[in-house]
Amino acid sequence: NAGVTQTPKFQVLKTGQSMTLQCAQDMNHEYMSWYRQDPGMGLRLIHYSVGAGITDQGEVPNGYNVSRSTTEDFPLRLLSAAPSQTSVYFCASSYSLSPSLDFGPGTRLTVT
Amino acid sequence: QQQVKQSPQSLIVQKGGISIINCAYENTAFDYFPWYQQFPGKGPALLIAIRPDVSEKKEGRFTISFNKSAKQFSLHIMDSQPGDSATYFCAASIQGGSEKLVFGKGTKLTVNP
Repeated sequence: NAGVTQTPKFQVLKTGQSMTLQCAQDMNHEYMSWYRQDPGMGLRLIHYSVGAGITDQGEVPNGYNVSRSTTEDFPLRLLSAAPSQTSVYFCASSYSLSPSLDFGPGTRLTVT
Repeated sequence: QQQVKQSPQSLIVQKGGISIINCAYENTAFDYFPWYQQFPGKGPALLIAIRPDVSEKKEGRFTISFNKSAKQFSLHIMDSQPGDSATYFCAASIQGGSEKLVFGKGTKLTVNP
C-alpha cells in the first residue's frame, strides 16, 4: 500500500491565484481530512469527510473548498490564495470511528 | 479555546536522559489520548496512545502516564537518543472518529549526542 499520498510536495503561488492540493489513499479509509501546520500553532483541522459525498468544516475552513467524489480522493482547493495561507498542509485518513490517523507527507505552500 | 495545552514548546535533552512532555485538558468527555511523532519534512505518525481506564502505558522506551483526576497526561522517553529528535504532539478525542481529535501545539525535542 502507498498509504496517503499528496501532490505537489512544494508549491509557490502568487496572491489571487487558485490551485488544488491533491490527496489520495489506498487503504479504503472512510474518513479523510486536511490540516494545516504553522509554527507554534500545531495542527489545525480545515475540512474533513466521513465518506464519499459528505464533507464538513473544521476549525479553519475559510478560503478553502473540498469535495469527495470517491473514497480514495479528497482534493483541497484554494480559490484565491492569500499570504495567510502560506503553510504546510497535511492530508490524513482513518477508518470510520477510529481515532488513529494516517498522515500524508505534506505539501509546503508559499503564497507571495 | 485551546482544548489541549502542551508544554514545553521546546526541549533539549542529552543522550541517555529522560524527555518529559506534558499535556493538560479540560473536557472530561475525552476518552482517547494519542501521541504523534513528526520528523522534519514528514507527516506526523502515531507513536503511542492511552485510554483513561489505565494510568500508564509503556511501549519500549516510550511511556504515557495518565492522571485522570488532574486531567493531565505526559509522554516520557527513557534513554533518549538523537534519533528521537522530532516534534511531538499530544491529542485527545471524544468517543469516536478522527473528526473529534484535537491536538496540542507540539513540542520540538532535540537530543544532543
